[in-house]
Amino acid sequence: DTGVSQNPRHKITKRGQNVTFRCDPISEHNRLYWYRQTLGQGPEFLTYFQNEAQLEKSRLLSDRFSAERPKGSFSTLEIQRTEQGDSAMYLCASSVYSGSSYNEQFFGPGTRLTVL
Amino acid sequence: DAKTTQPPSMDCAEGRAANLPCNHSTISGNEYVYWYRQIHSQGPQYIIHGLKNNETNEMASLIITEDRKSSTLILPHATLRDTAVYYCIPSGGATNKLIFGTGTLLAVQP
Repeated sequence: DTGVSQNPRHKITKRGQNVTFRCDPISEHNRLYWYRQTLGQGPEFLTYFQNEAQLEKSRLLSDRFSAERPKGSFSTLEIQRTEQGDSAMYLCASSVYSGSSYNEQFFGPGTRLTVL
Repeated sequence: DAKTTQPPSMDCAEGRAANLPCNHSTISGNEYVYWYRQIHSQGPQYIIHGLKNNETNEMASLIITEDRKSSTLILPHATLRDTAVYYCIPSGGATNKLIFGTGTLLAVQP
């Protein structure tokens, strides 16, 4: 399968622990986006990368959140000192951007985080 | 970011056309209208997009009004597998980030 993959699919952690999620985009997709989705709501934009550069971060992304895409391929999203409010589905999407406005995003299956 | 208004839910009989409306009266001139859907417990799936003209692909048709303030997604022959939340999203510019609303839950009935 050559789609977007995310690992782990589920993560249960205790409040105060650190967690890290991984996203592997579709090969040769230069853009990678992170979103968060809570129950009953649509996904919310968190941040995005073009190649290895992080170009925008949402106000939702507090100092406890950090994302990297070191070689312009896979990306990691780390949450430090987790809180119960961090419980959500974390979605990754990738796309090809070549300068035009059109930009179809392909989403992964998500990582469901539960903070106890 | 343009705001959208969609009905929270709609029903459709299997085999009939599903017409999902969206109001996006504050859309900017350089923003496309994207439609995504999300089947329960899966990531969103791209359906179709358009700028000014009507568009059709293997999944759906998109009708955009001349003033671009609203659009309608048409699934010509809905099946049970089309039951999902459908999101209408104006997006464009350099980031192309997607700002999701709460969407329309389409329930296809047998």
